[in-house]
Amino acid sequence: KNQVEQSPQSLIILEGKNCTLQCNYTVSPFSNLRWYKQDTGRGPVSLTIMTFSENTKSNGRYTATLDADTKQSSLHITASQLSDSASYICVVTGTSGTYKYIFGTGTRLKVLA
Amino acid sequence: NAGVMQNPRHLVRRRGQEARLRCSPMKGHSHVYWYRQLPEEGLKFMVYLQKENIIDESGMPKERFSAEFPKEGPSILRIQQVVRGDSAAYFCASSPLGTGLGTDTQYFGPGTRLTVL
Repeated sequence: KNQVEQSPQSLIILEGKNCTLQCNYTVSPFSNLRWYKQDTGRGPVSLTIMTFSENTKSNGRYTATLDADTKQSSLHITASQLSDSASYICVVTGTSGTYKYIFGTGTRLKVLA
Repeated sequence: NAGVMQNPRHLVRRRGQEARLRCSPMKGHSHVYWYRQLPEEGLKFMVYLQKENIIDESGMPKERFSAEFPKEGPSILRIQQVVRGDSAAYFCASSPLGTGLGTDTQYFGPGTRLTVL
C-alpha cells in the first residue's frame, strides 16, 4: 500500500485561477513533508519543506499546509501561470532513515491560456 | 553553480546488455541517492552512498544492480543483464548532509531514461 496518496491525479485549470492539491500520508512516525515540482522530462525541484510542528509554509505563489494530526497536507497555488504546468509531488520522510524520501505519485497540473 | 548532472540523459539497451548510469553531485555535496521511477509511479528509493561507502541499499534489487561512489569521479549505477522491466527513469539526488532534516534537502538531477528493447 502506498504510504503517500495524492489527489486529484490530474487537474486542468485556466490561467489566473487558484487550485489546491491534496496529500494524505500514513508514514509514522513522521519527520518532514516536502512538496516538489517536476516538469516533464526533468528532475523534481523542491518547493516547500515542513516539519511536524509547522502548519503552513509559503514560497511565492505556493502555500503548503500541514495537519500532522490527520496526516494531511495541501498545496495551494494562487494566480496560476502557464509555467505552473507540471507534476506536483508530495514527499514524506519518517524518523527512521530521514534521507529515504517516500514519494507520492503526484498530481499532474495543466494550466491553459 | 552547476546542479546535479546525470548522463546519459537517454540510454537504449538490448536485453542482456549492461547499463551504466552516471551522476555528478552538486559542488560541496558528498551524499548521493539513487531513485527509480517506473511509468505512472512515484520515485522509489534505491540506494544512499557517501564517498567510497554504501550507507543504505535497502531499495536495490538483490541481483544485477550495483552502485558505487568512488573517491574521485561520479557515482555509478550499474545494471547488468538488463531486462524489459528495468525500463524506467533513474534519478540521482545529492545533499550537503545525510540527515534529511530541515534544510538538508535533496537536489535532483534531470534523470536518465533507460529503455530496454
